[in-house]
Amino acid sequence: EDQVTQSPEALRLQEGESSSLNCSYTVSGLRGLFWYRQDPGKGPEFLFTLYSAGEEKEKERLKATLTKKESFLHITAPKPEDSATYLCAVQAQGGGNKLTFGTGTQLKVEL
Amino acid sequence: DAGITQSPRYKITETGRQVTLMCHQTWSHSYMFWYRQDLGHGLRLIYYSAAADITDKGEVPDGYVVSRSKTENFPLTLESATRSQTSVYFCASSKQGPTEAFFGQGTRLTVV
Repeated sequence: EDQVTQSPEALRLQEGESSSLNCSYTVSGLRGLFWYRQDPGKGPEFLFTLYSAGEEKEKERLKATLTKKESFLHITAPKPEDSATYLCAVQAQGGGNKLTFGTGTQLKVEL
Repeated sequence: DAGITQSPRYKITETGRQVTLMCHQTWSHSYMFWYRQDLGHGLRLIYYSAAADITDKGEVPDGYVVSRSKTENFPLTLESATRSQTSVYFCASSKQGPTEAFFGQGTRLTVV
């Protein structure tokens, strides 16, 4: 059974204090790993897709990296507007259109 | 307005009643999805559709029915609502597969 575990569950940072969110996964064969951002009361917003170990993607202050067992979402010099819940999901080889989601990391960035 | 919209945003219904959640997208995306989101669980796929008149079960389909007669609409029906179906429901659409999907704002459903 595919599994995704995100840590920490919650993270509080000061503005400008860089950190990383972790997504550990167990899947029979990885087809893709996805990061989403979700603001309170809204649907998830797609951020990145990673397909193979060693791959990196960047968008503004966010950088996603992938190894064979986990992915990291690095947040550099965060701002209060980066506060959100960040979700990770995996798609397995042969898994069709099913994504397995983690429960997310709730990030709060304070002034 | 362009995008993906869900209605209603909030719904309270009684156990045993039938309720339909609506989803409409304006991009003509081929794929549409229904997820539910519960505390302690990640998003879980209920049903998806790869095109009009083509639907398939996801991870948690029991108690739900879907249809897709038009590309832009993908309603989700709870045939006889139960308290365990209290959840936030999200509809999503994409050009191809579950990746890079655009999500609606969600419907918060409470079954009493």
